[in-house]
Amino acid sequence: EVQLVQSGAEVKKPGESLKISCKGSGYSFTNYWIAWVRQMPGKGLEWMGMIYVGDSDTRYSPSFQGQVTISADKSISTAYLQWSSLKASDTAIYYCARQNDFRLDYWGQGIHVTVSS
Amino acid sequence: ETVMTQSPATLSVSPGERATISCRASQSVDGNLAWYQQKPGQAPRLLIYGASTRATGIPARFSGSGSGTEFTLTISSLQSEDFAVYYCQQYSNWPYSFGQGTKLEIK
Repeated sequence: EVQLVQSGAEVKKPGESLKISCKGSGYSFTNYWIAWVRQMPGKGLEWMGMIYVGDSDTRYSPSFQGQVTISADKSISTAYLQWSSLKASDTAIYYCARQNDFRLDYWGQGIHVTVSS
Repeated sequence: ETVMTQSPATLSVSPGERATISCRASQSVDGNLAWYQQKPGQAPRLLIYGASTRATGIPARFSGSGSGTEFTLTISSLQSEDFAVYYCQQYSNWPYSFGQGTKLEIK
């Protein structure tokens, strides 16, 4: 069974750093892209970027370029999304999803990130 | 950047009736379009890809059509579990992008 399990909810202060994770199982993790999607409170879905785990080829949506870093460790079938300095506007739910021929066919459960002083 | 515009923003339909949601792209995306369903507190779920192919396990009452810039998601006979928010998403032009969502509510 394909599964993407994300790390737990985070509460941080503005200016702090954060790295959240997404662990895949039930399929060959290195042969697929992993996408990250943001959902701000009460809002729609936004495509942040994606990484091909096999060679770490990474693409960022222009809105998120320079704001976050996407990475992966194929030895432990885990993808990451990180911030060096959080802002209150980063408060959102962050989903990882497996990209299969461009469609997002399996999703993680989402991580609630709250940034508040 | 390709902007995806869904209509309507909210759709009120009675159970058993048909629901139709539209999605328009600001430039051609060929047939590279997916539809997702999201229920409160849950991750999105893939319904349709390639504009018209149902994902694994998706009931036949869900159908998609269109190509280029105009797409439609149709739910032929609404069941109680279908009331949710629906998103279209193009994967033709980078950056990939979602529509703003359509809330399907019970009338």
